[in-house]
Amino acid sequence: AQSVTQLDSQVPVFEEAPVELRCNYSSSVSVYLFWYVQYPNQGLQLLLKYLSGSTLVKGINGFEAEFNKSQTSFHLRKPSVHISDTAEYFCAVGGNKLVFGAGTILRVKS
Amino acid sequence: DTAVSQTPKYLVTQMGNDKSIKCEQNLGHDTMYWYKQDSKKFLKIMFSYNNKELIINETVPNRFSPKSPDKAHLNLHINSLELGDSAVYFCASSQEARAGYGYTFGSGTRLTVV
Repeated sequence: AQSVTQLDSQVPVFEEAPVELRCNYSSSVSVYLFWYVQYPNQGLQLLLKYLSGSTLVKGINGFEAEFNKSQTSFHLRKPSVHISDTAEYFCAVGGNKLVFGAGTILRVKS
Repeated sequence: DTAVSQTPKYLVTQMGNDKSIKCEQNLGHDTMYWYKQDSKKFLKIMFSYNNKELIINETVPNRFSPKSPDKAHLNLHINSLELGDSAVYFCASSQEARAGYGYTFGSGTRLTVV
Protein backbone atom coordinates (compact mmCIF):
# COMPACT_ATOMS: atom_id res chain seq x y z
CA ALA A 1 0.00 0.00 0.00
CA GLN A 2 1.10 3.54 -0.68
CA SER A 3 0.36 6.71 1.21
CA VAL A 4 1.48 10.31 1.33
CA THR A 5 1.51 12.73 4.23
CA GLN A 6 1.86 16.44 3.61
CA LEU A 7 2.87 17.86 6.91
CA ASP A 8 1.50 21.38 6.49
CA SER A 9 -1.98 22.26 5.36
CA GLN A 10 -1.06 25.90 4.78
CA VAL A 11 2.26 27.71 4.41
CA PRO A 12 2.24 31.52 4.43
CA VAL A 13 5.39 33.19 3.17
CA PHE A 14 6.45 36.63 2.04
CA GLU A 15 7.35 37.31 -1.55
CA GLU A 16 11.01 36.61 -2.42
CA ALA A 17 11.46 34.45 0.67
CA PRO A 18 12.42 30.76 0.37
CA VAL A 19 9.85 28.07 0.96
CA GLU A 20 9.79 24.36 1.71
CA LEU A 21 6.68 22.21 1.44
CA ARG A 22 7.08 18.93 3.25
CA CYS A 23 6.04 15.50 2.04
CA ASN A 24 6.57 12.06 3.53
CA TYR A 25 5.59 8.89 1.75
CA SER A 26 5.09 5.22 2.40
CA SER A 27 5.41 2.63 -0.32
CA SER A 28 6.03 -1.10 -0.43
CA VAL A 29 7.01 -1.05 -4.10
CA SER A 30 9.33 0.95 -6.31
CA VAL A 31 8.87 4.59 -5.61
CA TYR A 32 7.86 7.17 -8.13
CA LEU A 33 7.26 10.57 -6.56
CA PHE A 34 5.59 13.65 -7.93
CA TRP A 35 4.65 17.20 -7.09
CA TYR A 36 1.63 18.76 -8.77
CA VAL A 37 0.32 22.32 -8.52
CA GLN A 38 -3.31 23.35 -8.69
CA TYR A 39 -4.20 26.98 -9.28
CA PRO A 40 -7.71 28.10 -8.30
CA ASN A 41 -10.42 26.50 -10.40
CA GLN A 42 -7.91 24.70 -12.57
CA GLY A 43 -6.64 21.17 -13.04
CA LEU A 44 -3.39 19.76 -11.75
CA GLN A 45 -0.12 20.58 -13.46
CA LEU A 46 3.01 18.49 -13.04
CA LEU A 47 5.83 20.43 -11.36
CA LEU A 48 8.42 17.68 -11.18
CA LYS A 49 8.92 13.97 -10.69
CA TYR A 50 11.43 11.53 -9.30
CA LEU A 51 11.72 8.14 -10.98
CA SER A 52 15.33 7.16 -10.31
CA GLY A 53 18.86 8.54 -10.45
CA SER A 54 19.85 11.87 -8.96
CA THR A 55 18.01 12.57 -5.75
CA LEU A 56 17.73 16.30 -6.52
CA VAL A 57 15.07 16.92 -9.09
CA LYS A 58 14.47 20.23 -10.79
CA GLY A 59 11.07 21.19 -12.12
CA ILE A 60 9.23 24.06 -13.70
CA ASN A 61 8.87 27.57 -12.29
CA GLY A 62 12.12 27.31 -10.29
CA PHE A 63 10.95 24.52 -8.00
CA GLU A 64 13.10 21.58 -6.95
CA ALA A 65 12.66 18.58 -4.68
CA GLU A 66 14.98 16.18 -2.95
CA PHE A 67 14.31 12.49 -2.59
CA ASN A 68 15.51 11.14 0.74
CA LYS A 69 15.06 7.41 0.94
CA SER A 70 16.19 7.03 4.55
CA GLN A 71 13.70 9.64 5.74
CA THR A 72 11.07 8.64 3.17
CA SER A 73 10.67 12.28 2.25
CA PHE A 74 10.31 14.29 -0.93
CA HIS A 75 10.23 17.93 0.14
CA LEU A 76 9.58 20.69 -2.39
CA ARG A 77 11.63 23.87 -2.28
CA LYS A 78 11.92 27.19 -4.02
CA PRO A 79 14.63 29.72 -3.10
CA SER A 80 12.52 32.80 -3.83
CA VAL A 81 8.76 32.74 -4.26
CA HIS A 82 6.53 35.05 -6.25
CA ILE A 83 2.95 36.11 -5.74
CA SER A 84 2.06 33.95 -8.73
CA ASP A 85 3.20 30.83 -6.84
CA THR A 86 0.12 31.09 -4.63
CA ALA A 87 -1.66 27.79 -5.23
CA GLU A 88 -2.25 24.39 -3.72
CA TYR A 89 0.53 21.85 -4.04
CA PHE A 90 0.04 18.11 -4.01
CA CYS A 91 2.64 15.45 -3.37
CA ALA A 92 1.91 12.04 -4.89
CA VAL A 93 3.41 8.58 -4.91
CA GLY A 94 2.86 6.21 -7.78
CA GLY A 95 3.00 2.59 -8.68
CA ASN A 96 0.08 1.43 -10.81
CA LYS A 97 -1.84 4.49 -9.69
CA LEU A 98 -1.10 7.88 -8.20
CA VAL A 99 -1.92 8.33 -4.52
CA PHE A 100 -2.08 11.96 -3.44
CA GLY A 101 -1.46 13.76 -0.21
CA ALA A 102 -4.04 16.14 1.24
CA GLY A 103 -2.39 19.16 -0.31
CA THR A 104 -0.56 22.23 1.02
CA ILE A 105 -1.83 25.71 0.30
CA LEU A 106 1.04 28.09 -0.37
CA ARG A 107 0.07 31.71 0.28
CA VAL A 108 2.60 34.25 -0.89
CA LYS A 109 2.17 37.67 0.65
CA SER A 110 3.54 40.96 -0.61
CA ASP B 1 -5.16 22.20 -28.48
CA THR B 2 -6.30 20.96 -25.09
CA ALA B 3 -4.54 17.70 -24.20
CA VAL B 4 -7.21 16.35 -21.83
CA SER B 5 -10.61 17.96 -22.15
CA GLN B 6 -13.65 17.41 -19.98
CA THR B 7 -17.23 18.48 -20.51
CA PRO B 8 -19.10 20.04 -18.95
CA LYS B 9 -16.95 22.27 -16.78
CA TYR B 10 -19.83 22.93 -14.37
CA LEU B 11 -22.83 20.74 -13.68
CA VAL B 12 -25.63 21.61 -11.27
CA THR B 13 -28.37 19.04 -10.89
CA GLN B 14 -31.01 17.79 -8.49
CA MET B 15 -30.79 14.74 -6.28
CA GLY B 16 -31.96 11.58 -7.99
CA ASN B 17 -31.01 12.68 -11.48
CA ASP B 18 -28.66 10.80 -13.82
CA LYS B 19 -25.77 12.68 -15.42
CA SER B 20 -22.68 12.04 -17.51
CA ILE B 21 -19.27 13.65 -17.72
CA LYS B 22 -17.18 13.22 -20.83
CA CYS B 23 -13.42 13.12 -21.20
CA GLU B 24 -11.22 13.07 -24.27
CA GLN B 25 -7.45 13.06 -24.65
CA ASN B 26 -5.47 13.77 -27.80
CA LEU B 27 -2.08 12.71 -26.45
CA GLY B 28 -2.17 9.18 -27.79
CA HIS B 29 -2.03 7.81 -24.25
CA ASP B 30 -3.14 4.27 -23.50
CA THR B 31 -4.47 4.80 -19.98
CA MET B 32 -7.15 7.10 -18.60
CA TYR B 33 -8.38 7.78 -15.08
CA TRP B 34 -11.15 9.38 -13.09
CA TYR B 35 -10.32 11.09 -9.82
CA LYS B 36 -12.69 12.70 -7.34
CA GLN B 37 -11.64 15.79 -5.40
CA ASP B 38 -13.83 16.41 -2.39
CA SER B 39 -14.58 19.66 -0.60
CA LYS B 40 -11.36 19.37 1.39
CA LYS B 41 -9.39 19.08 -1.85
CA PHE B 42 -8.51 15.44 -1.19
CA LEU B 43 -7.94 13.55 -4.47
CA LYS B 44 -8.91 9.91 -4.72
CA ILE B 45 -8.77 7.62 -7.70
CA MET B 46 -12.04 6.09 -8.82
CA PHE B 47 -11.34 4.20 -12.03
CA SER B 48 -8.65 3.49 -14.57
CA TYR B 49 -8.89 2.14 -18.10
CA ASN B 50 -6.06 0.83 -20.23
CA ASN B 51 -6.87 0.42 -23.91
CA LYS B 52 -10.60 0.31 -23.11
CA GLU B 53 -10.13 -2.29 -20.39
CA LEU B 54 -11.00 -1.52 -16.77
CA ILE B 55 -7.88 -2.03 -14.64
CA ILE B 56 -8.60 -0.09 -11.47
CA ASN B 57 -11.96 0.03 -9.77
CA GLU B 58 -11.70 1.50 -6.31
CA THR B 59 -14.45 1.28 -3.71
CA VAL B 60 -16.95 3.41 -5.55
CA PRO B 61 -20.76 3.05 -5.37
CA ASN B 62 -22.10 1.13 -8.35
CA ARG B 63 -24.16 4.21 -9.21
CA PHE B 64 -20.92 5.32 -10.89
CA SER B 65 -20.24 3.59 -14.20
CA PRO B 66 -17.28 4.44 -16.40
CA LYS B 67 -17.35 3.72 -20.10
CA SER B 68 -14.44 3.80 -22.54
CA PRO B 69 -15.58 3.56 -26.18
CA ASP B 70 -11.97 3.89 -27.35
CA LYS B 71 -8.65 4.62 -25.75
CA ALA B 72 -9.02 8.37 -26.32
CA HIS B 73 -12.30 8.66 -24.43
CA LEU B 74 -13.42 7.86 -20.91
CA ASN B 75 -16.86 8.90 -19.78
CA LEU B 76 -18.39 8.77 -16.32
CA HIS B 77 -22.08 8.16 -15.83
CA ILE B 78 -23.66 8.70 -12.44
CA ASN B 79 -27.10 7.38 -11.58
CA SER B 80 -29.40 8.58 -8.82
CA LEU B 81 -27.21 11.47 -7.79
CA GLU B 82 -26.81 12.17 -4.07
CA LEU B 83 -25.72 15.26 -2.19
CA GLY B 84 -22.45 13.54 -1.29
CA ASP B 85 -21.55 13.23 -4.95
CA SER B 86 -20.90 16.96 -5.06
CA ALA B 87 -17.22 17.32 -5.87
CA VAL B 88 -14.79 18.14 -8.64
CA TYR B 89 -14.16 15.21 -10.94
CA PHE B 90 -10.87 15.10 -12.79
CA CYS B 91 -10.03 13.03 -15.81
CA ALA B 92 -6.37 12.19 -16.46
CA SER B 93 -4.31 10.17 -18.89
CA SER B 94 -0.88 8.58 -18.96
CA GLN B 95 1.27 6.91 -21.55
CA GLU B 96 1.10 3.54 -19.84
CA ALA B 97 -0.64 2.05 -16.84
CA ARG B 98 2.29 2.86 -14.63
CA ALA B 99 2.30 6.06 -12.64
CA GLY B 100 5.96 6.60 -13.34
CA TYR B 101 5.02 8.20 -16.60
CA GLY B 102 3.06 10.88 -14.80
CA TYR B 103 -0.47 11.94 -15.50
CA THR B 104 -1.89 14.76 -17.58
CA PHE B 105 -5.04 16.12 -15.97
CA GLY B 106 -8.08 17.79 -17.41
CA SER B 107 -9.37 21.03 -15.91
CA GLY B 108 -12.09 19.28 -13.94
CA THR B 109 -15.88 19.13 -13.79
CA ARG B 110 -17.46 20.76 -10.77
CA LEU B 111 -20.58 18.77 -9.92
CA THR B 112 -23.07 20.30 -7.52
CA VAL B 113 -26.03 18.22 -6.41
CA VAL B 114 -28.87 20.21 -4.85
